[in-house]
Amino acid sequence: AQTVTQSQPEMSVQEAETVTLSCTYDTSENNYYLFWYKQPPSRQMILVIRQEAYKQQNATENRFSVNFQKAAKSFSLKISDSQLGDTAMYFCAFRTNSGGSNYKLTFGKGTLLTVNP
Amino acid sequence: EAGVAQSPRYKIIEKRQSVAFWCNPISGHATLYWYQQILGQGPKLLIQFQNNGVVDDSQLPKDRFSAERLKGVDSTLKIQPAKLEDSAVYLCASSHRLAGVLGEQFFGPGTRLTVL
Repeated sequence: AQTVTQSQPEMSVQEAETVTLSCTYDTSENNYYLFWYKQPPSRQMILVIRQEAYKQQNATENRFSVNFQKAAKSFSLKISDSQLGDTAMYFCAFRTNSGGSNYKLTFGKGTLLTVNP
Repeated sequence: EAGVAQSPRYKIIEKRQSVAFWCNPISGHATLYWYQQILGQGPKLLIQFQNNGVVDDSQLPKDRFSAERLKGVDSTLKIQPAKLEDSAVYLCASSHRLAGVLGEQFFGPGTRLTVL
């Protein structure tokens, strides 16, 4: 079974600064996806960024980028130029891409990020 | 494109009562998921449908929880009878097909259940 660990329950950052959220995972699979989801207060969860395990290049989406270290099973999220709207709970999630599986998402416990003005 | 719709948004019941949640996925999405998110934790998959068939219900407490997806579109999740530990946000998500386009699941706003 896969597990996802987010070791930082809460973090804070000043507006316009950079922050990195950590995530580690455990799996015996070789073909999988990793995701970061954002859940703003009282709003629905949205996908921030995804990484396919077979791609060595780290994914980037505007101010969001990841540092994917497959051998270390580490998948951190970097948010540059933090904005007040980035305040949210961030979840790291794993999904296998192997045939015959149900492709369910396994989530970490989340990191509550607060961006201060 | 309309997102995943859920109702009600909030529900307060007493223990041993019954409750039902409704979900309407994004049009054309064959795969539907119900997650339970207890305060302070990440979402946990309860049940997954592919069209109107169950793909995975291994973590669904079947003695009190049930779910159906008639005609492969809308879905309902029922709890009968509810326990205090069922207090959580129930999230519905959908994806284009079993694997999804690059694996993305789209989430609804959730139903916050409080059991007193």
